[in-house]
Amino acid sequence: QKEVEQNSGPLSVPEGAIASLNCTYSDRVSQSFFWYRQYSGKSPELIMSIYSNGDKEDGRFTAQLNKASQYVSLLIRDSQPSDSATYLCAVNRYSGGYQKVTFGTGTKLQVIP
Amino acid sequence: DARVTQTPRDKVTEMGQEVTMRCQPILGHNTVFWYRQTMMQGLELLAYFRNRAPLDDSGMPKDRFSAEMPDATLATLKIQPSEPRDSAVYFCASGLEQGNNYGYTFGSGTRLTVV
Repeated sequence: QKEVEQNSGPLSVPEGAIASLNCTYSDRVSQSFFWYRQYSGKSPELIMSIYSNGDKEDGRFTAQLNKASQYVSLLIRDSQPSDSATYLCAVNRYSGGYQKVTFGTGTKLQVIP
Repeated sequence: DARVTQTPRDKVTEMGQEVTMRCQPILGHNTVFWYRQTMMQGLELLAYFRNRAPLDDSGMPKDRFSAEMPDATLATLKIQPSEPRDSAVYFCASGLEQGNNYGYTFGSGTRLTVV
């Protein structure tokens, strides 16, 4: 079992729809969770972080965390073609005096005009 | 905007040659990371520094790779000798850890091709 699992996609949604990206993780003591967006040929860019159960909203983005189910998701409302990218889930735990961050392999999102 | 600066952007080299990649982290960040990204493996952690001290390089092939932070403004990743299987995009990232992890800022990457 991979430490961080994401469906590789592509996930295709029409413009204006809600895109739902999901991520599961195996390490129960993980403490912080991140979503990075990576455009083709570019570097990952941090777009959301979440540290406690529940929802966290930032503009059109909502991150959802359920530690009991070891599940984190990213919702993108009113999806735009410019949202087309690969979204990487990252899970962090602090152990032995340092942070350990594990990235998923990413979900490719395509927003169809 | 503060950014992580990586050089070179692209590097083509012959097998057996030494490759050095450089990174200037964001001023004030206390952690620096080197990642390698390939289509097959995704992002793999190679090295992790906090306050210039190496904390984790377990993902790095020790026989040919080395990572250093000679000062707070410079991190280097060296491959000697390079092999075709080292072809990948290498990212440097920096962050600020104060108890918690607040996420990282990535540089634009070095695309390495070893022929």
